[in-house]
Amino acid sequence: AQSVTQLGSHVSVSEGALVLLRCNYSSSVPPYLFWYVQYPNQGLQLLLKYTTGATLVKGINGFEAEFKKSETSFHLTKPSAHMSDAAEYFCAVLTGGGNKLTFGTGTQLKVEL
Amino acid sequence: DTAVSQTPKYLVTQMGNDKSIKCEQNLGHDTMYWYKQDSKKFLKIMFSYNNKELIINETVPNRFSPKSPDKAHLNLHINSLELGDSAVYFCASSLAGGAGGNTEAFFGQGTRLTVV
Repeated sequence: AQSVTQLGSHVSVSEGALVLLRCNYSSSVPPYLFWYVQYPNQGLQLLLKYTTGATLVKGINGFEAEFKKSETSFHLTKPSAHMSDAAEYFCAVLTGGGNKLTFGTGTQLKVEL
Repeated sequence: DTAVSQTPKYLVTQMGNDKSIKCEQNLGHDTMYWYKQDSKKFLKIMFSYNNKELIINETVPNRFSPKSPDKAHLNLHINSLELGDSAVYFCASSLAGGAGGNTEAFFGQGTRLTVV
């Protein structure tokens, strides 16, 4: 079965510092991977996705992620954190024959002055 | 224009009541979903419909009954509400699953259900 694991339920960074949110996947077939962001009291918004092709994927708000098959990872990064990045971040993999998203447990990002 | 809209946004009700949450999408997608987010923010799929047909039912109690009158709507009816049903329920839609790159799901704003 395909799944994703997010390491670190809480990550705290200083404004301007590098953001690194970790996601590892488990899949016997080439995975489709996603990062979503959830701001307080809101729905989920797609940040970026990896399906096929280029392994470095750029998303919205300056985020990017790199698909590394050898490490079974899809970590999310942003060079310089902004206060507005504080939110819950979810990694997800497309499963069920492409019929559903299976989410990781989420990482809450806190950005401090 | 709201892509995926669900109503109501907040729902407070007593145990034992029956309630419904409505969802509509105007994206032309043929697949719709209900997800449940618990108090620890964990997201789990409940149901998936493709062109009005149920394709995923993730061992959800049969007190939960989804209904899809057409491919733009997926409503969730809950009978005999229990305290443990308190959660945020998200509706989502996407193009048909399977191969292809356009498989991301678009989510509604959520319905916060509180059972007292």
